Amino acid sequence: AQTVTQSQPEMSVQEAETVTLSCTYDTSESDYYLFWYKQPPSRQMILVIRQEAYKQQNATENRFSVNFQKAAKSFSLKISDSQLGDAAMYFCDLLEGGSEKLVFGKGTKLTVNP
Amino acid sequence: GAVVSQHPSWVICKSGTSVKIECRSLDFQATTMFWYRQFPKQSLMLMATSNEGSKATYEQGVEKDKFLINHASLTLSTLTVTSAHPEDSSFYICSAVRDRGNEQYFGPGTRLTVT
Repeated sequence: AQTVTQSQPEMSVQEAETVTLSCTYDTSESDYYLFWYKQPPSRQMILVIRQEAYKQQNATENRFSVNFQKAAKSFSLKISDSQLGDAAMYFCDLLEGGSEKLVFGKGTKLTVNP
Repeated sequence: GAVVSQHPSWVICKSGTSVKIECRSLDFQATTMFWYRQFPKQSLMLMATSNEGSKATYEQGVEKDKFLINHASLTLSTLTVTSAHPEDSSFYICSAVRDRGNEQYFGPGTRLTVT
């Protein structure tokens, strides 16, 4: 069965510093997608970044980048130059190619200290 | 970007009554919509998958007679909590998919309180 594991329930970072959130997953499919969503205190889920499994290049969106290690089934999120607005719950999610359903990790609560 | 709305954002109802929550994709046609429930400080729990014109597919343990889902069009899905009880109090979130394999676009959520 597909699973997503986020081993860090909480993380904190100083403003302007860099932080990495960990995520490992398990799937038997070769076609899948990985996502990081953030949920700020407003509780609106927002897509941060997306990675297709067939792409070797790590996805990047401005200050957000991933380290996608396919063989290790690892998908970590790096946030550079952290800002106060980055404080949120971050969810790592897996979507298998033949499925419509997202598999959610339990989330990591990120605190950004001024 | 794709926008998904939910209405109402917050509702209080009395025990034994029913409440309907609407989920709309505002600027795209959604092939599939999903309904989630989120308890405080927890991840999202998928309740059901909804496709336009067909019956919803419920996750194991979700009572289909209590949580009625209607997907009337490619832009509207509704969740009706029937005979609500205090234990149904929760945060309900919908999402919509524009194309298979793409990300889900989430609504802002509905906070339901049953007194």
